[in-house]
Amino acid sequence: DTAVSQTPKYLVTQMGNDKSIKCEQNLGHDTMYWYKQDSKKFLKIMFSYNNKELIINETVPNRFSPKSPDKAHLNLHINSLELGDSAVYFCASSQEVGVWETQYFGPGTRLLVL
Amino acid sequence: RKEVEQDPGPFNVPEGATVAFNCTYSNSASQSFFWYRQDCRKEPKLLMSVYSSGNEDGRFTAQLNRASQYISLLIRDSKLSDSATYLCVVTSGSARQLTFGSGTQLTVLP
Repeated sequence: DTAVSQTPKYLVTQMGNDKSIKCEQNLGHDTMYWYKQDSKKFLKIMFSYNNKELIINETVPNRFSPKSPDKAHLNLHINSLELGDSAVYFCASSQEVGVWETQYFGPGTRLLVL
Repeated sequence: RKEVEQDPGPFNVPEGATVAFNCTYSNSASQSFFWYRQDCRKEPKLLMSVYSSGNEDGRFTAQLNRASQYISLLIRDSKLSDSATYLCVVTSGSARQLTFGSGTQLTVLP
């Protein structure tokens, strides 16, 4: 059984388009995250939700909008895609917001903007 | 200065070798420390937490020096399956935000 799943796995699109990435976790966790891993493999937090409430909102363009319809889902919508948005986007979840909480990552969505 | 800095790598070692990775962090208020492992084109996975007293998990030993803001990972008797990128991770802030280092790539050669 997949613990944290993301769709789609690959996304190739043109500049200026709007796209969404979906994430679901079946671990019963309260906290979910979006990370971006760029071409240099640097992994950086974008957003975090705890019980559907936004708790981390890093400095990302407002073209990126997360949405958490319930605790098990955290989707990422991106408007007006730009070349620099090309990256691997990872969703993750943890039981709660704790100092020693393990984060479980999804398989990633590889986004290529042409 | 990056918040979490790691050895640039890559490390290429023969099977059976012992290899050590180092990491420094800049935020003295960092609360917890981890090593994650990321295989090629896969997601990161927790390898081990790093406690103040140091801790060991089989062939893996992690050390933390809070005074020097330094974390290390030692892998003994390297296996081919240890080939991966090792990510140093620290937690800070009320939201327990994870900050990742850029990773150190390890290749264990037959």
